[in-house]
Amino acid sequence: ETGVTQSPTHLIKTRGQQVTLRCSSQSGHNTVSWYQQALGQGPQFIFQYYREEENGRGNFPPRFSGLQFPNYSSELNVNALELDDSALYLCASSRGLAESTGELFFGEGSRLTVL
Amino acid sequence: AQSVTQLDSHVSVSEGTPVLLRCNYSSSYSPSLFWYVQHPNKGLQLLLKYTSAATLVKGINGFEAEFKKSETSFHLTKPSAHMSDAAEYFCVVSDSGGYQKVTFGTGTKLQVIP
Repeated sequence: ETGVTQSPTHLIKTRGQQVTLRCSSQSGHNTVSWYQQALGQGPQFIFQYYREEENGRGNFPPRFSGLQFPNYSSELNVNALELDDSALYLCASSRGLAESTGELFFGEGSRLTVL
Repeated sequence: AQSVTQLDSHVSVSEGTPVLLRCNYSSSYSPSLFWYVQHPNKGLQLLLKYTSAATLVKGINGFEAEFKKSETSFHLTKPSAHMSDAAEYFCVVSDSGGYQKVTFGTGTKLQVIP
């Protein structure tokens, strides 16, 4: 168990809808990263939040957005859902950038199906 | 820029025989390297990590990996496969320059045959 929790675990949406996924980071971690893992592929970096600010972004359109709260929990929001957004969304927390070696602690993911 | 290449998408071994999962990387900085394992419908679990200390790294469940700078490799090995090792394995590189950028390989699915 990593101490990183994600909700919901599964959800089904239709094209054009919006979704919010939530993540509670491990105690002592102030950095949260989000990844999209499509079926049969490796995780793709969406973005990272450090102390409530976005601190890096992968190759994802602006309809993917996020927030980090003062307690370091985080949300991933996806607007105007497309069929290709169907994937496992993984949240990972880590220590602050200066102390971190890059080790990530993952939650079990939120599986999104878009119909 | 950094990248990681996992040379085999699928590896099949018999129970009790050695496991070798291959990974090559490129990085502009002194990288940290990791292997993560993912069992079906689960999140990722850290197996082991290299962070510029000993080049031979021991991890959980009998796995180990050797960092070879001259070959830019970080292959994962285990002397004797167990049925519970069947899973997908990801090699990961993390740049130490700038913000913490982490890049995953495409994964190697390990099948263990009884």
